[in-house]
Amino acid sequence: DAGVIQSPRHEVTEMGQEVTLRCKPISGHDYLFWYRQTMMRGLELLIYFNNNVPIDDSGMPEDRFSAKMPNASFSTLKIQPSEPRDSAVYFCASSGGQGRDDTQYFGPGTRLTVL
Amino acid sequence: GENVEQHPSTLSVQEGDSAVIKCTYSDSASNYFPWYKQELGKGPQLIIDIRSNVGEKKDQRIAVTLNKTAKHFSLHITETQPEDSAVYFCAATFRTDKLIFGTGTRLQVFP
Repeated sequence: DAGVIQSPRHEVTEMGQEVTLRCKPISGHDYLFWYRQTMMRGLELLIYFNNNVPIDDSGMPEDRFSAKMPNASFSTLKIQPSEPRDSAVYFCASSGGQGRDDTQYFGPGTRLTVL
Repeated sequence: GENVEQHPSTLSVQEGDSAVIKCTYSDSASNYFPWYKQELGKGPQLIIDIRSNVGEKKDQRIAVTLNKTAKHFSLHITETQPEDSAVYFCAATFRTDKLIFGTGTRLQVFP
């Protein structure tokens, strides 16, 4: 398996622009997690899905952030409008769920820079 | 509330020495405790994990211990090598499906 795939790997945009980050989980995994990593706040869980349904979005910073999972093999995290404080590395992770393999496997991340 | 504390934030050791990283968690219902290693420019990678029904687990040079009563768990790396240099994160489950991560430990192994 290719592992969790994220695109783009790097994104540089200007304040106010819309940013869309993409994730393809490991095939067969039914949990998908979006994290944000910064020096100040460490690794924060933003939202997670089970069987394509959002379960907990309490980590989403504000209404500018939205996430979707239209099918089992694809998820997006959108920021609109983007702000400089959104600059961070965004990770997607997937797992097989409790009772099976609940190890979370992380993708390589998307480094977002908002100017 | 959900919280995982990790110490130390940085750790420097000589090659061949041992390294120990400690974490405490707040949720007594937590039952799964993974450790991740993150190298520069990469995503965190699982290196070892332990479940609440086990007190210790070992995999070659890496071991993890768990004290459920005290809500402590620790990572032990023996015979450290330069390639062990990375940031290490502990984590604990919260409400079954969610992982709460510690703040990370930057380990440097000097040759």
